[in-house]
Amino acid sequence: QVQLQESGPGLVKPSQTLSLTCTVSGGSIGSASYYWSWIRQPAGKGLEWIGRIYSSGSTNYNPSLKSRVTISVDTSKNQFSLNLSSVTAADTAVYYCARAIKGEWVRLDYWGQGTLVTVSS
Amino acid sequence: QSVLTQPPSASGTPGQRVTISCSGSSSNIGSNYVYWFQQLPGTAPKLLIYRNNQRPSGVPDRFSGSKSGTSGSLAISGLRSDDEADYYCAAWDDNLSCVVFGGGTKVTVL
Repeated sequence: QVQLQESGPGLVKPSQTLSLTCTVSGGSIGSASYYWSWIRQPAGKGLEWIGRIYSSGSTNYNPSLKSRVTISVDTSKNQFSLNLSSVTAADTAVYYCARAIKGEWVRLDYWGQGTLVTVSS
Repeated sequence: QSVLTQPPSASGTPGQRVTISCSGSSSNIGSNYVYWFQQLPGTAPKLLIYRNNQRPSGVPDRFSGSKSGTSGSLAISGLRSDDEADYYCAAWDDNLSCVVFGGGTKVTVL
């Protein structure tokens, strides 16, 4: 059974960089069959896709966040990471990592439990 | 404002059938599959429907999806109290080159 677990600081100061890591267990992040994604959800609001990465390092980002987002992968640790720079209060949200089926980027079949990140001084 | 449009709420009594719509455009639903996610209170979203009308293993057949033109819909038949949740539609958008979600529909069992 594949499991994903987000980790990282729960509080980030405005203008700083938000950094989160997703650890995958029960499966290899290097598998050719999957993409690895980040999605966020502000309190009481809907879901927003941030971007995704393939094991090769190939990435795609939401154009609304592209200038501030970097997603990277570390296959040796079975982890992938999210960096979001120049954060503001609008970036306060629960951040989820999820697995997507290759060829079906919307087919997010396994999700982490989510981690709340608050942007505040 | 979400790229995909859903009604904010829907409701029904136990045993009833509830349908949730998801309206998009030619660049998303019109040319790609529709997906549906269920988010129970305080939990992560769960894949409910993929490729318009396919159910992952373990999802009851009370849940069904369909697509017509630039709109998709999710039907829940035999409504149960534990179906109370937020439901989100999603699709790939060819113009934006990203995954887009609907704003979500809160289903209440009366």
